Amino acid sequence: QVQLQESGPGLVKPSGTLSLTCAVSGDSISSSNWWSWVRQPPGKGLEWIGEIYHSGSTNYNPSLKSRVTISIDKSKNQFSLRLTSVTAADTALYYCARRGPVKLTIDYWGQGTLVTVSS
Amino acid sequence: DIQMTQSPSTLSASVGDRVTITCRASQSISSWLAWYQQKPGKAPNLLIYKASSLESGVPSRFSGSGSGTEFTLTISSLQPDDFATYYCQQYNSYPWTFGQGTKVEIK
Repeated sequence: QVQLQESGPGLVKPSGTLSLTCAVSGDSISSSNWWSWVRQPPGKGLEWIGEIYHSGSTNYNPSLKSRVTISIDKSKNQFSLRLTSVTAADTALYYCARRGPVKLTIDYWGQGTLVTVSS
Repeated sequence: DIQMTQSPSTLSASVGDRVTITCRASQSISSWLAWYQQKPGKAPNLLIYKASSLESGVPSRFSGSGSGTEFTLTISSLQPDDFATYYCQQYNSYPWTFGQGTKVEIK
């Protein structure tokens, strides 16, 4: 059974960098999946941040592209999100997720981790 | 970006009701549409993919239809476990985008 687990600081200072890691179990990070990040501000809807393939190929949301980096660590079977120059608008529940090769949409999600941007 | 618009934003219904949620895309997305259910404090859960394909383990009272720019999610007989927020999502072109959500409340 595929499981994803986010980890990282729950509080980040304005203008700082948000860094999260997603540990994958029950599947290989090198399999034919895209590994994604999605966020949800408190009480609001879902926003796709970006995704990475095991080859290192990435796709990002243009609205965040200048500040986002998604990377992959095959040795640890995990992938990471880095978001720079954060503001209060980046306060959200951050989910990591898997996009499979058959359904082509996100079919597994982590439980989410809340990141608050505040001084 | 492709804009996804759901209607209604909130829906009040009773157990046993037939419920329909509409999702419209700002341009054609063929059948590249998914529906997710989200309960408070939980991650979204995939219900429907490719507009009408039922995800494994999802009750058959859920169904999806449509293509192009107009799509619907139907719950044939609303159950207590179905009170939640539902999101549509297009995966025809980057960036993937979601509708704003439809909250299904108890009447």
